[in-house]
Amino acid sequence: SQQGEEDPQALSIQEGENATMNCSYKTSINNLQWYRQNSGRGLVHLILIRSNEREKHSGRLRVTLDTSKKSSSLLITASRAADTASYFCATDAIGDDKIIFGKGTRLHILP
Amino acid sequence: DGGITQSPKYLFRKEGQNVTLSCEQNLNHDAMYWYRQDPGQGLRLIYYSQIVNDFQKGDIAEGYSVSREKKESFPLTVTSAQKNPTAFYLCASSTDRKHEKLFFGSGTQLSVL
Repeated sequence: SQQGEEDPQALSIQEGENATMNCSYKTSINNLQWYRQNSGRGLVHLILIRSNEREKHSGRLRVTLDTSKKSSSLLITASRAADTASYFCATDAIGDDKIIFGKGTRLHILP
Repeated sequence: DGGITQSPKYLFRKEGQNVTLSCEQNLNHDAMYWYRQDPGQGLRLIYYSQIVNDFQKGDIAEGYSVSREKKESFPLTVTSAQKNPTAFYLCASSTDRKHEKLFFGSGTQLSVL
């Protein structure tokens, strides 16, 4: 069962611009995580935000969480070519002993 | 170097054959996971283990089997009962049972001959 759904499915922006991707989920969660995956590689953990937090920063990343709307957003500021990757949200639903990944947003940074 | 290692990187399976994917971690993590990823798709959980000698089925366990005899090892066997095994398989680990901050291996691409 898919819990998180990312939007958009694909995004192309110019280098230096900001990239925003969104994640919606269906049931109450303990936390939400964002991961990055370069083509043909494993995922890398970026940031975790707990259900009692509204915003979190890490370097050029900003994550927000709106539990009333059951949604999260990931903002990458001043994008670089190296940010080209797929980005996944993963949710830890209350009462469910596992995390569920969405289908991801494919981000392409144009030079 | 601490990390999680998957082997082989590429694997080919003949019809009716069982194949085993290796996953080893030296991070001293309690929890380990196997995910399947199809092209352009997200990750689907096959099996996970939170402690040695114990494991639970994920969403798509049919046609797969696992063992967790050692803390550092969590091999996945793709059996002949799995009729559509072609996919990218990812192993991951985390420090505890909270499923926070998973560390992933670099994956195994399994194809059917």
